[in-house]
Amino acid sequence: GQQLNQSPQSMFIQEGEDVSMNCTSSSIFNTWLWYKQDPGEGPVLLIALYKAGELTSNGRLTAQFGITRKDSFLNISASIPSDVGIYFCAGNAGATNKLIFGTGTLLAVQP
Amino acid sequence: KAGVTQTPRYLIKTRGQQVTLSCSPISGHRSVSWYQQTPGQGLQFLFEYFSETQRNKGNFPGRFSGRQFSNSRSEMNVSTLELGDSALYLCASSAGQLNTGELFFGEGSRLTVL
Repeated sequence: GQQLNQSPQSMFIQEGEDVSMNCTSSSIFNTWLWYKQDPGEGPVLLIALYKAGELTSNGRLTAQFGITRKDSFLNISASIPSDVGIYFCAGNAGATNKLIFGTGTLLAVQP
Repeated sequence: KAGVTQTPRYLIKTRGQQVTLSCSPISGHRSVSWYQQTPGQGLQFLFEYFSETQRNKGNFPGRFSGRQFSNSRSEMNVSTLELGDSALYLCASSAGQLNTGELFFGEGSRLTVL
C-alpha cells in the first residue's frame, strides 16, 4: 500500500530541545494532517492544514503545508516527556476521508 | 462526549476463520472509516461509510467487507483469514458532511491470526 516518505524515522532527544520532522509525497494533496499515536491507542489529530503555504500552530506545535502541495513539516518546541510517541503525517487528495499516511516518526524524550 | 468505541479489543483466530469487528462512532458522527495498521505497511485505508453507504474503498481484497447501520454504528468483516491479516484494525469517525480528513480514532481491535 502507498505510504508517504516521513523523516526522520526516529529521534532521541533531551527534554527542552526542539524537534522537526517532515513528510514528502510524489503527488499533491489538498489537505495535510499530523497525528500522534501513543502505545495502545489510536492516532490523535494534532494539526490540520488546508492551504498551500499555510503555517498553523497548536500550542508548542507548528506545522506548514508546503507550497508545492507535496510536502509538510511539523515542529515541536521545548519538548517534554509526554511528547513521546509516534507522529504520522497524512495527506488527503480529495474531499474524502481516505487518508494516505506517512511511515511515522518515533520520538523519544529523555527527562 | 464518549469517544469512538471498538470491540473486541483483542482477538485470536486461526487461518480460514472469519472475524467481525464492531465500531460505535462519536455520537452525532455519521461517517465511519476503517484502517489497517501493520508494522510493514503502516496505516492503510480500508473503507469509509456514510449514511449506510460505502463512500470510498481502499485496495484490499474482497475478503474485507463492511457495513454501517442506521444508528451509524459500523462493522467490518474479514473472511477466510490469512496470517497476513494480523494487524491493528482502527475505526475512525467524523461529522461526515465535509470530508476534511479530521478523524477521531478508536483504540483499535488487535487481531492475531495463527
